[in-house]
Amino acid sequence: SQTIHQWPATLVQPVGSPLSLECTVEGTSNPNLYWYRQAAGRGLQLLFYSVGIGQISSEVPQNLSASRPQDRQFILSSKKLLLSDSGFYLCAYAWALNTGELFFGEGSRLTVL
Amino acid sequence: QKEVEQNSGPLSVPEGAIASLNCTYSDRGSQSFFWYRQYSGKSPELIMSIYSNGDKEDGRFTAQLNKASQYVSLLIRDSQPSDSATYLCAARNSGYALNFGKGTSLLVTP
Repeated sequence: SQTIHQWPATLVQPVGSPLSLECTVEGTSNPNLYWYRQAAGRGLQLLFYSVGIGQISSEVPQNLSASRPQDRQFILSSKKLLLSDSGFYLCAYAWALNTGELFFGEGSRLTVL
Repeated sequence: QKEVEQNSGPLSVPEGAIASLNCTYSDRGSQSFFWYRQYSGKSPELIMSIYSNGDKEDGRFTAQLNKASQYVSLLIRDSQPSDSATYLCAARNSGYALNFGKGTSLLVTP
């Protein structure tokens, strides 16, 4: 069966510091991968999705970036964090890009101070 | 603006009762609909999907869809304290993004 892992689970970062969140999927090949953010008082917001190695699509312009260096690895990065970047970051995979049936990782809770 | 609206709650029901969670959506192009359950501090998990008008049942859960009224609901029969969570409604159109509502908090009291 497929499993999805994220780390770190929790982090507290100062404004202006860099960020790297990592997500890996096991038990499947060529998964469709997503990064979502859940901020306080807001719904889940799609940040990036990827259909394959090196293929990244951005849904929302911001100071975040994503990369997919390997088939089952998805990384979310920032060079300089803003206060507004605080939130619960969720990596998810789907068996098809045009499905709403997502399977989420455990999440990474980021607090920017 | 493509929106999915949910009452934030909390919705409180006694154990054994039916919990009814509702959701409306603004994008008439939405084609498929999903309910996710999210326990406090945890990630969402998919519990139901519905693609056509009518009812879809899975165990104690029933999803209902009315595209004419742009309305989706989730019924939970024989509610248990373990059902206490936030329930997220999501809609997908022809694009790749799911539009999520902010969720309804459900509290099942023993």
